[in-house]
Amino acid sequence: EIVMTQSPATLSVSPGERATLSCRASQSVSSNLAWYQQKPGQSPRLLIYGASTRATGIPARFSGSGSGTEFTLTISSLQSEDFAVYYCQQYNNWPPLTFGGGTKVEIK
Amino acid sequence: EVQLLESGGGLVQPGGSLRLSCEASGFTLSSYAMTWVRQVPGKGLEWVSVISGSGGNPYYADSVKGRFTISRDSSKNTLYLQMNSLRVEDTAVYYCAKSPGYCSGGGCYSWYFDLWGRGTLVTVSS
Repeated sequence: EIVMTQSPATLSVSPGERATLSCRASQSVSSNLAWYQQKPGQSPRLLIYGASTRATGIPARFSGSGSGTEFTLTISSLQSEDFAVYYCQQYNNWPPLTFGGGTKVEIK
Repeated sequence: EVQLLESGGGLVQPGGSLRLSCEASGFTLSSYAMTWVRQVPGKGLEWVSVISGSGGNPYYADSVKGRFTISRDSSKNTLYLQMNSLRVEDTAVYYCAKSPGYCSGGGCYSWYFDLWGRGTLVTVSS
């Protein structure tokens, strides 16, 4: 099973600042990585797939990078609606499909 | 509008059974891979099961293998999760989700989840 580890667990950021979230895989997942956003009381929403491709309707301030075992989600200028929990998910080697433990982005 | 709507959650005793439904609208469910993902309130996401759009073998997490069964009814455009021998640790919000994933030529591709339902809460408790 591929273990996905996200860091930090919590990220405190001021509106307008840049946020950088990390996701590490226990073995290479190539570029088969997705990022999701989940706001309180809501279901997850796909942000990024293929490590760097934005899903339909996702603003350009969200960008993904990386391949192999190290991945980054960057939010260039945090808006109020971006404060949420973010999860990465690998789909390179499964079953099982595996998620990271999440990073909570909170207001500083 | 393209959406998924889960139902069937509730309170059940340990050892009991429950069947979750996920009705799709705005697209043909049987044309896509579909999955169930669960989330203990306040915790992270855990993949449960997946069924491909091509009718291939379903897959399950080890934690539910032998107890849960994923299926779909094309005539009702609905995905199901039959949950038997439920345990306290199965308590979670269960989401269904759509995936563009497929398998071809010995490889599998695009198994991420691009549309999620709102979820249904399953509570296993005596």
